[in-house]
Amino acid sequence: TQLLEQSPQFLSIQEGENLTVYCNSSSVFSSLQWYRQEPGEGPVLLVTVVTGGEVKKLKRLTFQFGDARKDSSLHITAAQPGDTGLYLCAGDMNNNAGNMLTFGGGTRLMVKP
Amino acid sequence: ETGVTQTPRHLVMGMTNKKSLKCEQHLGHNAMYWYKQSAKKPLELMFVYNFKEQTENNSVPSRFSPECPNSSHLFLHLHTLQPEDSALYLCASSPFLGRLNTEAFFGQGTRLTVV
Repeated sequence: TQLLEQSPQFLSIQEGENLTVYCNSSSVFSSLQWYRQEPGEGPVLLVTVVTGGEVKKLKRLTFQFGDARKDSSLHITAAQPGDTGLYLCAGDMNNNAGNMLTFGGGTRLMVKP
Repeated sequence: ETGVTQTPRHLVMGMTNKKSLKCEQHLGHNAMYWYKQSAKKPLELMFVYNFKEQTENNSVPSRFSPECPNSSHLFLHLHTLQPEDSALYLCASSPFLGRLNTEAFFGQGTRLTVV
């Protein structure tokens, strides 16, 4: 069982549609990050959410952190082909070595023109 | 040169070969990481170094051997690998380990194929 469950795993939509990706856990995180990874590249950080209930917007992307800091969502409005990629959520939690990131399984998004 | 650079980008090796992956960061960070990314699996943390000291070994087989000579360089030495070790190996760095809101900066990865 993964610590962070992302859904859906795959999503194929037409340009202009809206979509929401979910990241859920039974654990509480001090913060949660969303990354996007394009083919042949490493993940690139999009946003970090810290406060329960926090909402952050990045152009057409809206990120929300759950009130209990156990879950998060990413909503994309009017998706474009350039949004295609693997979206990863990562929770920041403390272990014996300090704060470490735990990644979800990812949502692979394809936006068709 | 900026960010996190990994070499080589692609590597094909036999099961009896010995090879090394290299990672270099020019961000002044003090923590460096190796991750493994396989198909249909989440990113798996393999090793963590903080100020050149290894702080985490996530039950990784001994055929993977990390080396961190300084805070800017990280190596992953590979020997007698198995075909199931084929994956994308990602290096990452962060300013510090043990701080909240740890943001990771990733390299482009090395696509490893073991034949």
